[in-house]
Amino acid sequence: AQSVTQLGSHVSVSEGALVLLRCNYSSSVPPYLFWYVQYPNQGLQLLLKYTTGATLVKGINGFEAEFKKSETSFHLTKPSAHMSDAAEYFCAVDSGNTPLVFGKGTRLSVIA
Amino acid sequence: DAGVIQSPRHEVTEMGQEVTLRCKPISGHDYLFWYRQTMMRGLELLIYFNNNVPIDDSGMPEDRFSAKMPNASFSTLKIQPSEPRDSAVYFCASTTRDRGDTGELFFGEGSRLTVL
Repeated sequence: AQSVTQLGSHVSVSEGALVLLRCNYSSSVPPYLFWYVQYPNQGLQLLLKYTTGATLVKGINGFEAEFKKSETSFHLTKPSAHMSDAAEYFCAVDSGNTPLVFGKGTRLSVIA
Repeated sequence: DAGVIQSPRHEVTEMGQEVTLRCKPISGHDYLFWYRQTMMRGLELLIYFNNNVPIDDSGMPEDRFSAKMPNASFSTLKIQPSEPRDSAVYFCASTTRDRGDTGELFFGEGSRLTVL
């Protein structure tokens, strides 16, 4: 069975600092991996995804994530946080036969 | 292209009343999902459909909840009777796996339900 673990339900960074949100997954087959972002009072929207090929994936708003098979990780990073990045972030895994499995989410706060 | 459309965006009702939430998926998508989001439980999958047929409803909390998809462009989630613990944001999402698509989910804006 596939699963997703997001380390830290709440992460707080200063404006301009590095953002690192952690995601580890388990899957019996090569997975597709996703990061979604949810701004207050909105639905989830896709930030980036890994399917095949290059393991470093770039998304919207300067975010990127690297698929590391040996570590079963798909951590999300952004070099410099902006106030507008404050939101909830969800990691998700898709092994092809079932719906996306979501992590519990990480709330990112950005301090001025 | 229009995204997933949900209505109503907000609903306030009294305990015992029937609530109907509506969803129009993206045209051409053959999977439709209903999720519930609360502070305590996070994002929960309630039920999903493929080609209008319910595939897995194991997430539906109890018999008070029911979902239908009478055609490819419309689905409803009904709660009867509603209870205060049903207060949550309900999301609809759609996707397709045709033509090698990766199954990325497209979410609606959500329906915020408050049961007094």
